[in-house]
Amino acid sequence: EVQLVESGGGFVQPGGSLRLSCAASGFLVSTYYMSWVRQAPGKGLEWVSVLYSGGSTAYTDSVKGRFTISRDNSKNTLYLQMNSLRPEDTAVYYCAREFNKNDFWGQGTLVTVSS
Amino acid sequence: DIQMTQSPSSLSASVGDRVTITCRASQTISNYLNWYQQKPGKAPKLLIYGASSLQSGVPSRFSGSGSGTEFTLTISSLQPADFATYFCQQSYSTPYTFGQGTKLEIK
Repeated sequence: EVQLVESGGGFVQPGGSLRLSCAASGFLVSTYYMSWVRQAPGKGLEWVSVLYSGGSTAYTDSVKGRFTISRDNSKNTLYLQMNSLRPEDTAVYYCAREFNKNDFWGQGTLVTVSS
Repeated sequence: DIQMTQSPSSLSASVGDRVTITCRASQTISNYLNWYQQKPGKAPKLLIYGASSLQSGVPSRFSGSGSGTEFTLTISSLQPADFATYFCQQSYSTPYTFGQGTKLEIK
């Protein structure tokens, strides 16, 4: 059974760091492109970053230079390292497998950035 | 970046109604257009991918059409479970932008 389980969210002060994890089961993260998508409270969906199976990455402009997407194939886990966090980064963060017939999403983890 | 514009932003309808939601891309995206349904506190659920392909397990009352820059999601006969928020998304090029959402409410 395919599962994606996010963890690592929490409360952090502006300028702080968090690392989100997305543990996958039922498939190999290395063979699909994997994304992070976020949703601020009461707002719409915002794509954040993608890691392709070949290793290339892309980011939305607002997180470039602050966030890093990566994976650990041995743990079958996707990560999002978030540095220099800002209040506007407050959101539920979802990991998602592809955006096509292979689509699958985790349940999300809440990140709150506040002083 | 490709901007995705959905209309309407909200919609009131009754069970059994036929409903259409429109999504416009700021530049051509071929058929790289997906439709998601989201209910409060839940992750988005893929309904349509590739503009018109029905995701496995999704009821056939949902359909999608369009290519290039203009796309539509149609629900042929609204059911109580369909009252939710709907998002379009382009997966043509990064950033993989979403529309702002259409909230479908019960009349």
